[in-house]
Amino acid sequence: SQQGEEDPQALSIQEGENATMNCSYKTSINNLQWYRQNSGRGLVHLILIRSNEREKHSGRLRVTLDTSKKSSSLLITASRAADTASYFCAHTDKLIFGTGTRLQVFP
Amino acid sequence: GAVVSQHPSRVICKSGTSVKIECRSLDFQATTMFWYRQFPKQSLMLMATSNEGSKATYEQGVEKDKFLINHASLTLSTLTVTSAHPEDSSFYICSARARGFGSGANVLTFGAGSRLTVL
Repeated sequence: SQQGEEDPQALSIQEGENATMNCSYKTSINNLQWYRQNSGRGLVHLILIRSNEREKHSGRLRVTLDTSKKSSSLLITASRAADTASYFCAHTDKLIFGTGTRLQVFP
Repeated sequence: GAVVSQHPSRVICKSGTSVKIECRSLDFQATTMFWYRQFPKQSLMLMATSNEGSKATYEQGVEKDKFLINHASLTLSTLTVTSAHPEDSSFYICSARARGFGSGANVLTFGAGSRLTVL
């Protein structure tokens, strides 16, 4: 299976704390993307990082990519209750999705 | 931005009936659409790739006669679950890739999903 894995599978934090999610993948990539899914809804694209990039920022999001380790991390700073969702990394043209991290942010 | 409309959002049907789910790109042309299936608290599993004007490409283990995909226009792909059974109950999500995008060519826009319950 080409499916990657995120860890942790579940994460619970308080508002204001930072949340870090990690993603590992198995194949070579041109880019890696992070998506967010609210319960029972479709996915929303958050950020794309190319294979020649090491770090990228977008608002409260910071993504890193280590192609030598085939891993990426997503950091959400100053989390809010509204950040509660599942987060997935995805790669390849078909967008093979990882297993996801379910984030719960308590107010 | 790009919007994908998926309909219906929820459907309940009896075993043996067929259900059609539509996926429309509202403000862009989508040469490629993807259909995923998602079980509770699990990731999205790619079922098939739908290419406008040609046959869909199915992932290993997905029955093409069971899950009929039609992508007859640049804005519409449909997934028909034929002779549905309770084990087909799941959350089905479509996504579309916009044509002509530059650096964002690999970013997908997702529909809101369709929850199918087969009684």
